[in-house]
Amino acid sequence: KNEVEQSPQNLTAQEGEFITINCSYSVGISALHWLQQHPGGGIVSLFMLSSGKKKHGRLIATINIQEKHSSLHITASHPRDSAVYICAVYPNFGNEKLTFGTGTRLTIIP
Amino acid sequence: KAGVTQTPRYLIKTRGQQVTLSCSPISGHRSVSWYQQTPGQGLQFLFEYFSETQRNKGNFPGRFSGRQFSNSRSEMNVSTLELGDSALYLCASSLGTGVSYEQYFGPGTRLTVT
Repeated sequence: KNEVEQSPQNLTAQEGEFITINCSYSVGISALHWLQQHPGGGIVSLFMLSSGKKKHGRLIATINIQEKHSSLHITASHPRDSAVYICAVYPNFGNEKLTFGTGTRLTIIP
Repeated sequence: KAGVTQTPRYLIKTRGQQVTLSCSPISGHRSVSWYQQTPGQGLQFLFEYFSETQRNKGNFPGRFSGRQFSNSRSEMNVSTLELGDSALYLCASSLGTGVSYEQYFGPGTRLTVT
């Protein structure tokens, strides 16, 4: 079983829809990252969270440490949001190595 | 400020050969981490260098090695290439090491082993 699980694996939605991507992890963590990867491979860090909620533009990320769960929300989705979204955690074993989920492929149809 | 650059962007090698990939971090960043991405295993941490010292290492065989120079540029080397080493290799730089520092990723080097 992976330490970091994401759902759904694939998501197709119409432009304008509200999107939710989920991340569950099985270990204690120091922090959680949400990353965006566009076709071609480039990765952009969207958020780093250790508690609560963060918002940047149309993107919102939340984390519940007790439930070991995080969500990434996209409001008013747009075709340019089409990408793979990856959740990654820093386990708090002290070795600080990022452990990645398998990603959620999001496609927004105009 | 220029972003993280990786060279080469694409590479084709034959089984048994060795390869060296290069990563130039953002100016002022002292930490460089390397990651391997494959369709089967996803993204996996390879190693991290900070101030020319390997600070952390993932679960990869000894054929994978790296180093960092005094200007923070980093190289990774894979010896005796296997077909399974075909992957996108990404490096990321940050100001410091540890969870507090945001990582900035390069565009990656796509390695194909035939």
